[in-house]
Amino acid sequence: QQPVQSPQAVILREGEDAVINCSSSKALYSVHWYRQKHGEAPVFLMILLKGGEQKGHDKISASFNEKKQQSSLYLTASQLSYSGTYFCGTTLNSGYALNFGKGTSLLVTP
Amino acid sequence: EAGVAQSPRYKIIEKRQSVAFWCNPISGHATLYWYQQILGQGPKLLIQFQNNGVVDDSQLPKDRFSAERLKGVDSTLKIQPAKLEDSAVYLCASSLPGGQVVTQYFGPGTRLTVL
Repeated sequence: QQPVQSPQAVILREGEDAVINCSSSKALYSVHWYRQKHGEAPVFLMILLKGGEQKGHDKISASFNEKKQQSSLYLTASQLSYSGTYFCGTTLNSGYALNFGKGTSLLVTP
Repeated sequence: EAGVAQSPRYKIIEKRQSVAFWCNPISGHATLYWYQQILGQGPKLLIQFQNNGVVDDSQLPKDRFSAERLKGVDSTLKIQPAKLEDSAVYLCASSLPGGQVVTQYFGPGTRLTVL
């Protein structure tokens, strides 16, 4: 079952913050976040496991709410390089391939 | 460390023709995936290999798509005959063996246009 991402698109000014959500109707084992720039391969950002952990990576962090089966990606003090499409990929069990959402397009302007 | 390699990067064919894509995963990565990414959508899994065995091919349109990974390293994905709706980017990804939560690393993809 494909996870649902929101919003579909967001435009930010440099330095602003953004939150991207990824929701599932089924119990998830893991959530993987990727960023893809136009014409390029998806680039791995981080993995979250069930258990409600939060991870951080520079000014990009994410959380996983097991009760809601929702993961949120937080981008703080956005930079121009953050522009791209963000995808969440989910698994229902270990060792499974990813089921990706439709993506959230993020544009950071000067 | 070299990343996932794919070729060709671009391919234009006419409908009903056949086409093949090649993927070389990261050295030591036993698991290999082929995804189809249609414009404006997220990648969709076509097939997953563990070494040279198929783990999941439930979403592979087997009447026209085939894939193999003969020696547990390189893989080829073939479409025969191609349809207009096959126009997409075909992404190959690899990861360490399954059974763990592992990171999938993607190649640059092959952009297929079917006319």
